Amino acid sequence: GAVVSQHPSRVICKSGTSVKIECRSLDFQATTMFWYRQFPKQSLMLMATSNEGSKATYEQGVEKDKFLINHASLTLSTLTVTSAHPEDSSFYICSASDGRHSTDTQYFGPGTRLTVL
Amino acid sequence: RKEVEQDPGPFNVPEGATVAFNCTYSNSASQSFFWYRQDCRKEPKLLMSVYSSGNEDGRFTAQLNRASQYISLLIRDSKLSDSATYLCVVKAYAAYQLIWGAGTKLIIKP
Repeated sequence: GAVVSQHPSRVICKSGTSVKIECRSLDFQATTMFWYRQFPKQSLMLMATSNEGSKATYEQGVEKDKFLINHASLTLSTLTVTSAHPEDSSFYICSASDGRHSTDTQYFGPGTRLTVL
Repeated sequence: RKEVEQDPGPFNVPEGATVAFNCTYSNSASQSFFWYRQDCRKEPKLLMSVYSSGNEDGRFTAQLNRASQYISLLIRDSKLSDSATYLCVVKAYAAYQLIWGAGTKLIIKP
């Protein structure tokens, strides 16, 4: 199946710093990428959907100025957590779709575990 | 009420036993249904899609009951490696968004 990578896999940072997470589709063109957040023992929560070359669509309650998403190419999307705080500590997972149709399969990256001290 | 609800478990099951769990969904417009498996601190992986007629993949059988708005997963002859959290996922017609349940934790014991 298609491969999606994320980098870094784990990051520990101080409160107030910004952290950038990369999501890459390695063997296909990802026209749509999704960013999820998962807190311990909870379900995945969609944060935003991004289409290549356009602004991301954020879910209700997700601050777009805090979670900056850039989808500048068909193989790369980045999520930047600005001025991170301990409550932002979570497991961030991206997924990528190779089409613009809602039935297209989503391929998941391995996730990034963020710990903010 | 959550859009997708699952019994969080854990289900403690002896190796070789059969185990089943359900998932209920609230949106009657849901059209696509999936079971994902998630190991601790890993990303979810697609286990199987769930079709209206029900489907089977080896030891795993998935069923959909539209009238009662639930899907089920049956695991036969459970293995130690089946220990994981099983996530129920639904998607409405013409929608990108996957709606995730919180998962059911399964522990297979020797």
